[in-house]
Amino acid sequence: DGGITQSPKYLFRKEGQNVTLSCEQNLNHDAMYWYRQDPGQGLRLIYYSQIVNDFQKGDIAEGYSVSREKKESFPLTVTSAQKNPTAFYLCASSITGNTIYFGEGSWLTVV
Amino acid sequence: QKEVEQNSGPLSVPEGAIASLNCTYSDRGSQSFFWYRQYSGKSPELIMFIYSNGDKEDGRFTAQLNKASQYVSLLIRDSQPSDSATYLCAVGKRSGATNKLIFGTGTLLAVQP
Repeated sequence: DGGITQSPKYLFRKEGQNVTLSCEQNLNHDAMYWYRQDPGQGLRLIYYSQIVNDFQKGDIAEGYSVSREKKESFPLTVTSAQKNPTAFYLCASSITGNTIYFGEGSWLTVV
Repeated sequence: QKEVEQNSGPLSVPEGAIASLNCTYSDRGSQSFFWYRQYSGKSPELIMFIYSNGDKEDGRFTAQLNKASQYVSLLIRDSQPSDSATYLCAVGKRSGATNKLIFGTGTLLAVQP
């Protein structure tokens, strides 16, 4: 099946821990994105990448890091510097400049 | 002023009626416009996109774009209870060769049986 796979679907983080959310796509899309969704605030862009080994900060990049070592993969690390990480995280991809498609999302909760 | 604004709702319509969802945007240079549907606890799914002024129809859905007034709307004809969801308006913003989407906060639609 073609698509965008995010894992894990649910993740719990202890205070001070770094956690990594996985995102893999087999759509041969060039661009990949990470969005965060909080209740009542819509989707906010964390990081995006147009090509392998290149990525740019979005609107709320502080406390997050990414890598793009392969075209298919764009993992997001939520570091301990992110003070309020509880949210729904959405990975997306697109053929550069065109419509964005989303994965199923990952729920992160701080415990 | 937010870049993309939507009424949060809820917008309640009876089954079979037309639901009208509206969105305004601030960047007059925006070129691409998208509507996504999001069921509770799920990820957004694309319904329609529109690039040119006027109407674009796809089944029960019609997107309308008015660049002069900086608004885009989504009409859902013959609304069904299964249409009950949050509808997200997104506006494309070019950054080099990448199309970043700026999202509104969404309008919750409730279709009453």
